[in-house]
Amino acid sequence: NAGVTQTPKFQVLKTGQSMTLQCAQDMNHEYMSWYRQDPGMGLRLIHYSVGAGITDQGEVPNGYNVSRSTTEDFPLRLLSAAPSQTSVYFCASSYMILGAAEGGYTFGSGTRLTVV
Amino acid sequence: DAKTTQPTSMDCAEGRAANLPCNHSTISGNEYVYWYRQIHSQGPQYIIHGLKNNETNEMASLIITEDRKSSTLILPHATLRDTAVYYCIVSSGGTSYGKLTFGQGTILTVHP
Repeated sequence: NAGVTQTPKFQVLKTGQSMTLQCAQDMNHEYMSWYRQDPGMGLRLIHYSVGAGITDQGEVPNGYNVSRSTTEDFPLRLLSAAPSQTSVYFCASSYMILGAAEGGYTFGSGTRLTVV
Repeated sequence: DAKTTQPTSMDCAEGRAANLPCNHSTISGNEYVYWYRQIHSQGPQYIIHGLKNNETNEMASLIITEDRKSSTLILPHATLRDTAVYYCIVSSGGTSYGKLTFGQGTILTVHP
């Protein structure tokens, strides 16, 4: 199993450009989510999904869109990149049983995004 | 979601047990306690989780107090590779089904 795969690993954007960060998992996990991590800070939840066709906002959703058309994929779209979106982005997935992530969340290796 | 409080940093000698405390005094009955760690700039790694009973796996032990207001993660024989930021997280259910809210964590430094 590949686990959670994030692409690209590194990206540089100009202010105003749009792009999509890809996240794919091959574990048939219902739950997927996107986090961002800024220097010296913990992870902050952007958006999450509990299944195909269902998404919801996290702590810092502004400037980002998501969709979940399949169980495997959960792309994150930056509509108009801003320097404040310079960050490391992590995707995570898990099974859900009785309100808990059974076995814990599996995180991807991250996408390092710089907006200039 | 219940908030957690952890020490900013801790040190531990290699080969000794590392005991990382976490306070979650506002935890509700259906919330789980999770522990993750993040080594350098890698993605977080799941360690262990529990509801009210103590838990043990191949990586660590989790001790939750009877009133569930605090917990301790125990790494029984710390190695240099255990140097990382450790996050104690309380999960929520209901409409926030399963989402995790990460705080600042504890920077654990294991020294020779």
